[in-house]
Amino acid sequence: SAVISQKPSRDICQRGTSLTIQCQVDSQVTMMFWYRQQPGQSLTLIATANQGSEATYESGFVIDKFPISRPNLTFSTLTVSNMSPEDSSIYLCSVERARGETQYFGPGTRLLVL
Amino acid sequence: SQQGEEDPQALSIQEGENATMNCSYKTSINNLQWYRQNSGRGLVHLILIRSNEREKHSGRLRVTLDTSKKSSSLLITASRAADTASYFCASFSNDYKLSFGAGTTVTVRA
Repeated sequence: SAVISQKPSRDICQRGTSLTIQCQVDSQVTMMFWYRQQPGQSLTLIATANQGSEATYESGFVIDKFPISRPNLTFSTLTVSNMSPEDSSIYLCSVERARGETQYFGPGTRLLVL
Repeated sequence: SQQGEEDPQALSIQEGENATMNCSYKTSINNLQWYRQNSGRGLVHLILIRSNEREKHSGRLRVTLDTSKKSSSLLITASRAADTASYFCASFSNDYKLSFGAGTTVTVRA
């Protein structure tokens, strides 16, 4: 398994501002991911955070809106830029130790944009 | 991206009863995973079943997989109030992406 922490756990932000969410894992992992869960919805993959290179974004998500960093094998950040109320969601990071194995999730960051 | 559907969307049962929920997916998979989420918190991994497996058990959980029908089911036996949560299936496709179903909200009444 993996122990994953996220900061902040929740935040209320004003539209037009940006928020950076941190994800820390207790040990080195190969793969890290960022998901969004809009209110009452399921999870949607935003991007794969690649160590040492640019993140790989899914359709509908762009780097300018959701810049991601992954400086090492235990840490990643997701920034939600120029926020609007539509960005109000839970943002979750997840990790895989090996492809095709169990994906473990952090506790999530609950974001409300006013 | 959401690849599958789950049914029912919501399920209300009495404590001690069994709860069954179903999941369908669209493309070929490497494995299928089930998760639980309590009150909008993080996801807890319940069980992973590989494409070459047909049934798997873990405690009070039983998962089946039918790759010919592209479907899976999760059975929770002898439910407890603590089982009240949303349950999601997630299919891991051969292009290395985990796609979540819409989820089933289970309420266990005391």
